[in-house]
Amino acid sequence: NAGVTQTPKFRVLKTGQSMTLLCAQDMNHEYMYWYRQDPGMGLRLIHYSVGEGTTAKGEVPDGYNVSRLKKQNFLLGLESAAPSQTSVYFCASISGPSGYYEQYFGPGTRLTVT
Amino acid sequence: RKEVEQDPGPFNVPEGATVAFNCTYSNSASQSFFWYRQDCRKEPKLLMSVYSSGNEDGRFTAQLNRASQYISLLIRDSKLSDSATYLCVVPGAEGSGGYQKVTFGTGTKLQVIP
Repeated sequence: NAGVTQTPKFRVLKTGQSMTLLCAQDMNHEYMYWYRQDPGMGLRLIHYSVGEGTTAKGEVPDGYNVSRLKKQNFLLGLESAAPSQTSVYFCASISGPSGYYEQYFGPGTRLTVT
Repeated sequence: RKEVEQDPGPFNVPEGATVAFNCTYSNSASQSFFWYRQDCRKEPKLLMSVYSSGNEDGRFTAQLNRASQYISLLIRDSKLSDSATYLCVVPGAEGSGGYQKVTFGTGTKLQVIP
């Protein structure tokens, strides 16, 4: 039981390049979230999904797209990377609404955009 | 008032000491609360949930003061291994499709000194 995994763990991009971050969970959870964490700021929600085939915008969605084609996977795409997207990205998986249930986080992806 | 506010610290305490952190929140309708622990460069992990007036788990006690809108985390007999950042998490409004917003505090850093 691996829990929540994220790939890659580290990445350096040049401005304008694109990439996809993969989050996978083996707990059969319906809810999956993508956050970014920056120094001095709390985790901020980028996009979320409440089930396979559904996605919605969170607090800071601009410059990102997501897809949830399979229940166990939640992909985060950066269309044209900008230095402001340098951050640590965490995926979380939850069995129910986030206000009542534990969020299980992946180990994070450290992204630097130069 | 910010949605969730925490003293960033750092709190430097000797081993064996008792330390307490507070977290204030603005949404008086919030019903449940969480404390997560985040080690340096790692993902957050759930430490405690608080659904009523408080919760106790070994050396850790979380208390909720609804009238003053804060939750506290008390750590007794601090260990070196308690050194981490402690994140307060407060649910907000429920949205559509089962989504519920949660707000993460920026965290309080604890350093336990030998």
